[in-house]
Order: sequence, then C-alpha cells, then structure tokens
Amino acid sequence: RKEVEQDPGPFNVPEGATVAFNCTYSNSASQSFFWYRQDCRKEPKLLMSVYSSGNEDGRFTAQLNRASQYISLLIRDSKLSDSATYLCVANAGGTSYGKLTFGQGTILTVHP
Amino acid sequence: DTAVSQTPKYLVTQMGNDKSIKCEQNLGHDTMYWYKQDSKKFLKIMFSYNNKELIINETVPNRFSPKSPDKAHLNLHINSLELGDSAVYFCASSQRQGTVEQFFGPGTRLTVL
Repeated sequence: RKEVEQDPGPFNVPEGATVAFNCTYSNSASQSFFWYRQDCRKEPKLLMSVYSSGNEDGRFTAQLNRASQYISLLIRDSKLSDSATYLCVANAGGTSYGKLTFGQGTILTVHP
Repeated sequence: DTAVSQTPKYLVTQMGNDKSIKCEQNLGHDTMYWYKQDSKKFLKIMFSYNNKELIINETVPNRFSPKSPDKAHLNLHINSLELGDSAVYFCASSQRQGTVEQFFGPGTRLTVL
C-alpha cells in the first residue's frame, strides 16, 4: 500500500464548479499534512497546510481527519487557472520529521 | 532572481555515461533535497542535507552520489546511467530541517537513451 494515496483523476469540471479531492495516508505517525500544486512541466509549490480543525484560504478549504487518516481539499468557484495537478503530502514524524511523502497527484482540468 | 536554480534543465545522454546536475539556492536556507519524479508522476525523496550534512538517504542505488560543498549548493552525480534513471529530478530547499514548506527548483529532465 502506498503511504499517501490519491485518486489520480482526471477531474474535468466547468468554470464555477465546486470540486473535492480526497487523500488517505497509511503512516499514523505522520504529523502534518499539506497540499502542493504542480502545473504542467513545472515544479511543485505549496498551496496550503491542512489542520485538524479545517482551514480555509479563499476558495480553498482543507480538512484533516486523523481517525480515518483522510485528507481533503475543496475548491469552490473553479477558475481556468486552477487547472493543475494537486499533490497530497504527509510529513513523517519522529526522526524523519521534515521528510515529505507525496501522493501521485490528482489532475484537475477546468474548462470554459 | 531565481530562488532555487538547477542546471542543466534538460539532459539527454547514453546508457553507461556519468552525469552531474547542479543545484543552488539563494534563500539562505539550511536544508536541501533531491527528489525524483518518474513517468507516473510520483515525487520521491532521494536525499536531504542539512548544513552540508547528509540527513536523509532513501533507498537509492549507490550510483547516485550527492555532494554539498556548502549549504547553498547540493549537486547530484550519477554514475553508469541506466534507462530507468530517466525522470525529472527536482532540487528543493527549506529554511531548516523540519520546516515543511519546501521551495523547488524548476527540475532537470533526464533522458537516458
């Protein structure tokens, strides 16, 4: 089983749609979680951190459920510029703190 | 100014050759990383250095040897290149060990023929 698993998609949605991505992780010792965004043929960039209480940044909402080892990302009012691959990331705990494990990514295409 | 830079951007070479990829960061960060992103798009950590000291060394063939001459540079040397080494290699840095926001370089697309 992969340490971080995501539905690879692709998700094809019209502008203005709401779309949700899910992610599960297998290492219960993982301490913190993130969503990175990677545009086609570009480097990954941090989109947002994920907190147990849920957190929001504009149109983006991230949620963590530690009991189910499940992470989600909700994008509201999708824009064309949201088209990218979204990478779910877990940060290992203990002596491996700082070691990020990436999921394979979920591809999102927003069309007019 | 580019925060994390890598050279070359593209590298096409024959099997069996030895090649190096260079990485530099001008962010003043203490920690640097090498990742490999394969054709299935999985991004996997290979190595991490903190202040020139190796701290993460994943299960990587010993044909891969990182070198950090100072904390702003982390180079990757690959001996006896194989077809399976074809991938995009990303360098990244973070402020210190355990800081989770990592800044990635633009990647080096390596093709082994």
